[in-house]
Amino acid sequence: DAGVTQSPTHLIKTRGQQVTLRCSPKSGHDTVSWYQQALGQGPQFIFQYYEEEERQRGNFPDRFSGHQFPNYSSELNVNALLLGDSALYLCASSLANDEQFFGPGTRLTVL
Amino acid sequence: QKEVEQNSGPLSVPEGAIASLNCTYSDRGSQSFFWYRQYSGKSPELIMSIYSNGDKEDGRFTAQLNKASQYVSLLIRDSQPSDSATYLCAVNEGAGTALIFGKGTTLSVSS
Repeated sequence: DAGVTQSPTHLIKTRGQQVTLRCSPKSGHDTVSWYQQALGQGPQFIFQYYEEEERQRGNFPDRFSGHQFPNYSSELNVNALLLGDSALYLCASSLANDEQFFGPGTRLTVL
Repeated sequence: QKEVEQNSGPLSVPEGAIASLNCTYSDRGSQSFFWYRQYSGKSPELIMSIYSNGDKEDGRFTAQLNKASQYVSLLIRDSQPSDSATYLCAVNEGAGTALIFGKGTTLSVSS
């Protein structure tokens, strides 16, 4: 049973660029949540997708956007990258309101 | 601002001892409570979930919840060096399923 997968593993971008991160949920899961984890901090909720709609959103600017596809996989897009966007981006999948399981994450570095 | 508070540690215990990790939360509407373990450079791994007041045991782990005191704890019995990691407390935000995380407590188990 494949767990949550994310790509790419690492990414280096420069300020002002745009980035797309990808996530495939665990088999049987229908809900995908995205989190940002800065060094030494706990993950911070960005948004959650269910049935291809953004169901809940955290306190992140509109530069952060996402999408969920019919196969439940999801993308996180960040426009106009800032140095402060450097972090570990985590995708978590769940079945409806159940426990969330994290993927390995994408380490984004903005120079 | 809904918050989850944890002592950052480090919490140091000898091998075989009981490690006690504590967490308080501010959102009285929270109904779901989770403990994640995160090894350095890795993503969070779900180890316990608890939804009702009282204790829940799973192997060497026991989660305790007191909603009246807005307090969650995790006990690790017979601590092993492999338990050395950062432990993240997470609670759901109000009626939704977004998770609010604490900053984590670093546990060090010495052999």
